[in-house]
Amino acid sequence: EVQLVESGGVVVQPGGSLRLSCAASGFTFNDYTMHWVRQAPGRGLEWVSLINWDGSSAYYADSVKGRFTISRDTSKNSLYLQMSSLKTEDTALYYCAKDRTTPVSTALDSWGQGTLVTVSS
Amino acid sequence: DIVMTQSPDSLAVSLGERATINCKSSQSVLHSSNNENYLAWYQQKPGQPPKLLIYRASTRESGVPDRFSGSGSGTDFTLTVSSLQAEDVAVYYCQQYYSTPYTFGQGTKLEIK
Repeated sequence: EVQLVESGGVVVQPGGSLRLSCAASGFTFNDYTMHWVRQAPGRGLEWVSLINWDGSSAYYADSVKGRFTISRDTSKNSLYLQMSSLKTEDTALYYCAKDRTTPVSTALDSWGQGTLVTVSS
Repeated sequence: DIVMTQSPDSLAVSLGERATINCKSSQSVLHSSNNENYLAWYQQKPGQPPKLLIYRASTRESGVPDRFSGSGSGTDFTLTVSSLQAEDVAVYYCQQYYSTPYTFGQGTKLEIK
């Protein structure tokens, strides 16, 4: 059974930094593209970033480009999101999600429960 | 960026009746190399993460009841729930994975009338 468990969400001040983690199990982690998707309180889903199976390519939403960095560690079966220059509008529940197929990126078939990031002074 | 627009924003349907949600993309998500539409539908119930229902615009994910169906091509897509059940109350999102940044529609809230 696929399991994705996010951690690292806390309350942080504007301008601060934070690293989110996602521990993956139940599948061959280094075969799949992985994603971060966020959801502000009471709002819809916003795709944030993806990293391909071997970490050689990464893509970002315009709203986070230059501030967030996605990475993965296959030895730890873990996905990360380094967040810097945080803004109040980054406040959201951050989900880790697995791509359905490999190597071509498609739909997101497994999701974690999310970790809450609150940016507030 | 591809903009995804869903309609309506909310929908109330009687139990056992049909529910139809529309999704329009600002450009085609039909991939010419394989004739596949790079469009997915997700269901999100309160307090839960999203769940994949449909991919390639019309292929049901394993385990999804056959009352859920997807149709459309190019820029116009539809999610249909053929006979609404109480457990189908949720917010539904379409998403394109044709090009980055992958984008979601704003969501459609489906309720019981």
